[in-house]
Amino acid sequence: KAGVTQTPRYLIKTRGQQVTLSCSPISGHRSVSWYQQTPGQGLQFLFEYFSETQRNKGNFPGRFSGRQFSNSRSEMNVSTLELGDSALYLCASSSEWAHEQYFGPGTRLTVT
Amino acid sequence: GQNIDQPTEMTATEGAIVQINCTYQTSGFNGLFWYQQHAGEAPTFLSYNVLDGLEEKGRFSSFLSRSKGYSYLLLKELQMKDSASYLCAVRAATNDYKLSFGAGTTVTVRA
Repeated sequence: KAGVTQTPRYLIKTRGQQVTLSCSPISGHRSVSWYQQTPGQGLQFLFEYFSETQRNKGNFPGRFSGRQFSNSRSEMNVSTLELGDSALYLCASSSEWAHEQYFGPGTRLTVT
Repeated sequence: GQNIDQPTEMTATEGAIVQINCTYQTSGFNGLFWYQQHAGEAPTFLSYNVLDGLEEKGRFSSFLSRSKGYSYLLLKELQMKDSASYLCAVRAATNDYKLSFGAGTTVTVRA
């Protein structure tokens, strides 16, 4: 079974731009969660989608948004990028019958 | 809110045992997870506890006490490849997969 895939793996953007990151979950997994990881704040929850519906949202500004498609693939978008948005963005997928989340390799975003 | 605490760093010798403690104060509880993360890589799942007691999986064991808001991850027969960050995470709700993570404990295994 293929693992969670994320594209792109690396991205450099300029302040004020927007960015879209993509995540393809493990086949059969309907839950996709997004996390931001920085050295100072650790892993922080952004949002979770299940069957195209956002089930939960973390404490991030409205510039961070996401969506999930009918094939469970998910995208997250960050608008009006700030320097502080530089981070590793991880997505994780889960089966509705299991407890653990499986993480993708992440997208490393650098905002200059 | 969620408050999850674990030590920042630990060092141990190859072949030894290390115990990583995690204390949590969360608005709900529906399971505690341990993840391993090597530098530059994604976290990988190690263990899950939802009931009190010890779960053993090879060289790794995880313990939970819900009344004390406390868990530990025990790494036995340490190997150099065990040098990594170990993340404690709590799932508070029953109907979603939001995990609240601790800051992580960096374990360094020395020869």
